[in-house]
Amino acid sequence: NAGVTQTPKFRILKIGQSMTLQCAQDMNHNYMYWYRQDPGMGLKLIYYSVGAGITDKGEVPNGYNVSRSTTEDFPLRLELAAPSQTSVYFCASSYTGVGSYTFGSGTRLTVV
Amino acid sequence: TQLLEQSPQFLSIQEGENLTVYCNSSSVSSSLQWYRQEPGEGPVLLVTVVTGGEVKKLKRLTFQFGDARKDSSLHITAAQPGDTGLYLCAVRRAGAQKLVFGQGTRLTINP
Repeated sequence: NAGVTQTPKFRILKIGQSMTLQCAQDMNHNYMYWYRQDPGMGLKLIYYSVGAGITDKGEVPNGYNVSRSTTEDFPLRLELAAPSQTSVYFCASSYTGVGSYTFGSGTRLTVV
Repeated sequence: TQLLEQSPQFLSIQEGENLTVYCNSSSVSSSLQWYRQEPGEGPVLLVTVVTGGEVKKLKRLTFQFGDARKDSSLHITAAQPGDTGLYLCAVRRAGAQKLVFGQGTRLTINP
């Protein structure tokens, strides 16, 4: 009963490096989301997907890219890491567009 | 853009006390959800409310959705240290396929 699995849990990047945050769910959920959580700022939506092959921008998409080639996986790509991308990143999924979310345990990213 | 304000931002009380936290939206919402987040973990759903005036209870937690579906409250009776965490409200506008989250209320219950 894994739910939503995020890897890695922690990562330190140097400015200008790139990386992919992995997210996988085993609940056959159609909808998947990437949020970032900055201290005292709640959750801000980066990108979301309503099904395999379909992605759309959220509130703060700049500096990120996503793909959704399968129902299970929704990776988030950072191309040129900047200190402003230091944050905790959460992936979430839901069965429908009006249902509740199941969250992963997050990836804490520091860009130095 | 829908604005979602939670208050207070921080609350620290003693075990056994009662408390209420609030979530106020600038627009009408089709549904509102409350989540609790513990350190190092993702948010976990507590409740979903969809009808104006709706009241739901979860043990010592009482959730109310305002009649106009623009605000909500969470009341905790006889708070316990295990209630400590970040409480987030989230709303979905009609036709939207994503949630908008508030900034949260960080609650600390002292033994």
